[in-house]
Amino acid sequence: QSVLTHPPSASGAPGQRVTISCFGSSSNIGSSTVNWYQQLPGTAPKLLIYSNNERPSGVPVRFSGSKSGTSASLAISGLQSEDEADYYCAAWDDSLNGPVFGGGTKLTVL
Amino acid sequence: QVQLVQSGAEVKKPGASLKVSCKASGYTFTNYAFHWVRQAPGQRLEWMGWVNAGNGDTKYSQRFQGRVTITRDTSASTVYMELSSLRSEDTAVYYCAREIGGDSAAFDIWGQGTVVTVSS
Repeated sequence: QSVLTHPPSASGAPGQRVTISCFGSSSNIGSSTVNWYQQLPGTAPKLLIYSNNERPSGVPVRFSGSKSGTSASLAISGLQSEDEADYYCAAWDDSLNGPVFGGGTKLTVL
Repeated sequence: QVQLVQSGAEVKKPGASLKVSCKASGYTFTNYAFHWVRQAPGQRLEWMGWVNAGNGDTKYSQRFQGRVTITRDTSASTVYMELSSLRSEDTAVYYCAREIGGDSAAFDIWGQGTVVTVSS
């Protein structure tokens, strides 16, 4: 099954900038837009970035996304304690004819 | 209020069937597609299938083909997910989600999740 991969963990001190990467293939990231989700413990995922770099209403500007080829990145600047969560990338996969998700990166704010 | 509200937690025995509901409110139900995504303990989010609330078209992940059925009731603004022949590996939190755009994997509204436990 097609999947997206990213590092299992990331960390940073308050105020710092962290980047989370997501790697896919030509059947998903390479041919589709990328979305990012934030999931706090015990809650449903929340859409953070869609269409590679668009922020839904209410998402702070310190969250940004980018895509290049078959990989994508989520950047969080001015890290805050409430950013401590799991982050997932997602993209439509042409082989699956459905969405695929990354395994999640657990962000720790030191 | 724009939201999706799912039915409550379920405990099922292996071999049984499950039906979870997801009620939409605050927007025009038939303008959207709704997906079902599950998350087993410690695992990644896994897509199960979707329904076009406008015309009832469905598409299922190959992994669940033959076991999952997704339907919608436009009069109740509700989508349903049925999963049959349950096994212990189906223990997970099941989410419904509203998709923005088409074939985008961008889900802007999520239900609160339904915890399903499959155990003898």
